[in-house]
Amino acid sequence: EVHLVESGGGLVQPGGSLRLSCAASGFTFSKYWMSWVRQAPGKGLEWVANINQDGSEKNYVDSLRGRFSISRDSDKNSLSLHMNGLRAQDTAVYYCAREVSTSAFDVWGQGTMVTVSS
Amino acid sequence: DIQMTQSPSSLSASVGDRVTITCRASQSIGTYFNWYQQKAGRPPKVLIHAASDLQSGVPSRFSGSGSGTDFTLTISSLQPEDFATYYCQQSYNFPLTFGGGTKVEI
Repeated sequence: EVHLVESGGGLVQPGGSLRLSCAASGFTFSKYWMSWVRQAPGKGLEWVANINQDGSEKNYVDSLRGRFSISRDSDKNSLSLHMNGLRAQDTAVYYCAREVSTSAFDVWGQGTMVTVSS
Repeated sequence: DIQMTQSPSSLSASVGDRVTITCRASQSIGTYFNWYQQKAGRPPKVLIHAASDLQSGVPSRFSGSGSGTDFTLTISSLQPEDFATYYCQQSYNFPLTFGGGTKVEI
């Protein structure tokens, strides 16, 4: 069965850093683009970043470029999101998601909560 | 950035009703367009991709139509498990963007 499991969320102070991870199983991880999507409490969905199959192409929402960095390790079937300079407005559930050819997200993890607060 | 505008933001309906949700893109996106359903405390689930292709396993009461800038999600006969929030998303270019959501309530 196809699974994505996020980890690494938690409470962090403003200005701090956090690294999220997403463990993939049940499919050939190296064949898919992967994305991070976030959702602030009670709000809608916001795409954060994606990365292509071999990690050579990365795209970010402009507002987060420079603070967030996406990476992957296909040997470990793992996706990561490094987040620096965290702000209160970065508080959200962070989902990793698999992309299919139409850039639809067909598999989602359960999400990991990031809370930025002093 | 391409803005996705959904309407209505919420609606009340009853079991058996036909429900239509619309989404408008700020520029033409062809059929690079997807619909998702999200229930409280759960991740989203893709219903429709490429504007009108039903995702495997999704009931046939869900259908999507449109191209260019105007898109529609139709639920032909609302079921109890369909009460949720629905999001549209464009996949035409970066940044990928979502609509603000439509909450379907009883």
